[in-house]
Amino acid sequence: SQTIHQWPATLVQPVGSPLSLECTVEGTSNPNLYWYRQAAGRGLQLLFYSVGIGQISSEVPQNLSASRPQDRQFILSSKKLLLSDSGFYLCAWRGISGNTGELFFGEGSRLTVL
Amino acid sequence: AQSVTQLDSQVPVFEEAPVELRCNYSSSVSVYLFWYVQYPNQGLQLLLKYLSGSTLVKGINGFEAEFNKSQTSFHLRKPSVHISDTAEYFCAAGQGGSEKLVFGKGTKLTVNP
Repeated sequence: SQTIHQWPATLVQPVGSPLSLECTVEGTSNPNLYWYRQAAGRGLQLLFYSVGIGQISSEVPQNLSASRPQDRQFILSSKKLLLSDSGFYLCAWRGISGNTGELFFGEGSRLTVL
Repeated sequence: AQSVTQLDSQVPVFEEAPVELRCNYSSSVSVYLFWYVQYPNQGLQLLLKYLSGSTLVKGINGFEAEFNKSQTSFHLRKPSVHISDTAEYFCAAGQGGSEKLVFGKGTKLTVNP
């Protein structure tokens, strides 16, 4: 069966520090991978998605970047965090079955920038 | 571009009462619809999905939703809720040819004893 892992689960970082959130998927090949951010009262905002190794689509201009160094690994990064980067970050994967498949989410990473 | 509107940000109900959480989407062209549930500090879990066929879709935990093309709605219902249904619920829509799902802003369901 397929599983998705995200880490760390919680993170408290000072403004200006770097960030690296990691996500790995097991039990499937060539998934679409997604990073969402959830801020209070704003629902889920799609940040990045990837349809293959090295292929990254950015949805909103921001202080973050994403990379996909391996088929089932997706990394969210920042060189210098801002207060506004605080939030709950969710990684998700989706099979490539005609774009009708649902997203499967990880457990999330809560980032607090102080 | 597809958009999803969840009309109620918060819905309080009493235990064993029926509930309906409303969702409207913008485009019916090749649309696929989903409802997810999120418990505090957890990821999202799929409740049900509509891809095609019967407009009444049954999901887990006794939830169901009805696809209404003319009203561009996909409301979630449960005839009798439990305390354990307290959570945030998200409606999402995808379209054929798109890699993305668009989510609504969520509805917080609180079930009171």
